[in-house]
Amino acid sequence: DSGVTQTPKHLITATGQRVTLRCSPRSGDLSVYWYQQSLDQGLQFLIQYYNGEERAKGNILERFSAQQFPDLHSELNLSSLELGDSALYFCASSFRTSGLDEQYFGPGTRLTVT
Amino acid sequence: GENVEQHPSTLSVQEGDSAVIKCTYSDSASNYFPWYKQELGKGPQLIIDIRSNVGEKKDQRIAVTLNKTAKHFSLHITETQPEDSAVYFCAASHAGNMLTFGGGTRLMVKP
Repeated sequence: DSGVTQTPKHLITATGQRVTLRCSPRSGDLSVYWYQQSLDQGLQFLIQYYNGEERAKGNILERFSAQQFPDLHSELNLSSLELGDSALYFCASSFRTSGLDEQYFGPGTRLTVT
Repeated sequence: GENVEQHPSTLSVQEGDSAVIKCTYSDSASNYFPWYKQELGKGPQLIIDIRSNVGEKKDQRIAVTLNKTAKHFSLHITETQPEDSAVYFCAASHAGNMLTFGGGTRLMVKP
């Protein structure tokens, strides 16, 4: 158990809908990262937050957004969902954002768009 | 941006044999190289990492080597066991801590 929690475990929704994925980092970690894992694209970095502020953006679609709250939990919002958004979404956390910090991953949320 | 290539994509070994997975990266600024193990239905689990000021690191049956000049790093697992069967990912990062992952290696250890 990494100490990173994610809810829900599974999510099934229809095209065009909006969903919110939630992540709680390990105790003491200030940085949260979101990754998408799909069969064709592999594991891809989406976005990073550090102590409430956005720090880095990867291949995140404009339909996706995220935020980190004062208690350091983070939410990833996916809107206007398409079939291609079906994937595993992982949250990871680290203590800092120095580029040398270990990242610990949560168990993921499996999103199925029908 | 960074690009990480990982080989082989699948690897089958007999229990007790060694397994080696290799990765190359493109960005010479990358200075942190973690390895993750992912079992079915679970999130990636950090198993070992290496930083650019070190050439080799060992943790029991697992070792990682780094060649910064050639821009490649490798994972070595000795005395493999059936519970080592999983998908292994290498990754690279630099400033900002954003990880770029390789495509993964499915390791199968046959009893």
